[in-house]
Amino acid sequence: GIQVEQSPPDLILQEGANSTLRCNFSDSVNNLQWFHQNPWGQLINLFYIPSGTKQNGRLSATTVATERYSLLYISSSQTTDSGVYFCAVVPNSGGSNYKLTFGKGTLLTVNP
Amino acid sequence: DAGITQSPRHKVTETGTPVTLRCHQTENHRYMYWYRQDPGHGLRLIHYSYGVKDTDKGEVSDGYSVSRSKTEDFLLTLESATSSQTSVYFCAISVGQIVNSPLHFGNGTRLTVT
Repeated sequence: GIQVEQSPPDLILQEGANSTLRCNFSDSVNNLQWFHQNPWGQLINLFYIPSGTKQNGRLSATTVATERYSLLYISSSQTTDSGVYFCAVVPNSGGSNYKLTFGKGTLLTVNP
Repeated sequence: DAGITQSPRHKVTETGTPVTLRCHQTENHRYMYWYRQDPGHGLRLIHYSYGVKDTDKGEVSDGYSVSRSKTEDFLLTLESATSSQTSVYFCAISVGQIVNSPLHFGNGTRLTVT
């Protein structure tokens, strides 16, 4: 099946710093989503971004489908950004949300 | 907010007992999912539904059954709970009427089987 690798596995920042999280995938995809799981366990959908660039406040994401990677940018980080960031994909051959494959995540800690 | 409510939020049960978890949505979305999340395994799909009375198995469906008698409710049943089913269970929906839509999760149910 498709392989999803996220880097770095862990990241520690000071409040106000910027960061880039990466998601590499081993096959072409028709569905890519980024999620944030906060320290209380809630999973929040950040972006649905199979290709192109999107921005939402301090967060933005870019997926370069032809090169099989996606980047999540966090600017001016805040302590509330702490948690685990997951990338999830569906391969072109796999069809739908039924086949979402999640990466292992990046654990982000933002210190005050 | 995709209007997803999971109940109960926490449950402790004994091995061998049946357990039913409920997922309720208020926005009439077609596609619903049950996942479990475990350390070292990440998020894994248990079962999913593509409409009323239309369900199918996911990656880790053994020991679980589901039912969807109304659009708004998707039930997950552990017929005879085992310790290996101790986990955090998340319900999710595709927000949109096509299956490849953003996935939104409920707040989870923490189940402990003793």
